[in-house]
Amino acid sequence: NAGVTQTPKFQVLKTGQSMTLQCAQDMNHEYMSWYRQDPGMGLRLIHYSVGAGITDQGEVPNGYNVSRSTTEDFPLRLLSAAPSQTSVYFCASSSTGTATDTQYFGPGTRLTVL
Amino acid sequence: TQLLEQSPQFLSIQEGENLTVYCNSSSVFSSLQWYRQEPGEGPVLLVTVVTGGEVKKLKRLTFQFGDARKDSSLHITAAQPGDTGLYLCAGEVTGGGNKLTFGTGTQLKVEL
Repeated sequence: NAGVTQTPKFQVLKTGQSMTLQCAQDMNHEYMSWYRQDPGMGLRLIHYSVGAGITDQGEVPNGYNVSRSTTEDFPLRLLSAAPSQTSVYFCASSSTGTATDTQYFGPGTRLTVL
Repeated sequence: TQLLEQSPQFLSIQEGENLTVYCNSSSVFSSLQWYRQEPGEGPVLLVTVVTGGEVKKLKRLTFQFGDARKDSSLHITAAQPGDTGLYLCAGEVTGGGNKLTFGTGTQLKVEL
């Protein structure tokens, strides 16, 4: 199993550009989520999904869109990138989505918005 | 407002020393997890604690959940260079709907 995979590994955007961060998991997990990690602030939840066709907002959803058409994939879209979205983005998945469940994280995407 | 504060923020020690990392909050947590993250990688789960006062050991790592479930600690005995990394606590606030809140992180460096 590859676990949770993310592409690209690094990305540089100009303000106003759009892009999609890809996330895929091969563990048949129902729960998937996106976090951003900024220095001194830990990880903050952007959006999450409890199954195909179901998504919801996390702590910091503004400027991001998600969709979940399949169990395996959970892409994160930035419609109009802003410098404040410079961060490291992590996708995670777990079997049930309960807080005591093991979350498996991808290797991250480092995004810079100029 | 950060719900989970970790201390210290940075820690640099010599191989063989002991250390303790703290995770504190004014909120009550239903459960708490500890993760370790290495550069360029995602966090990896170390342990989950769910009962106030619970103590779990993982080789040289000892995790404790406070009696009131508002704090936790991670103690490492005889630290090794392989312990180097970012340590994160994460908890589910009671009634928080299964959402995890992550702490601010402790960056540990263990030198030879």
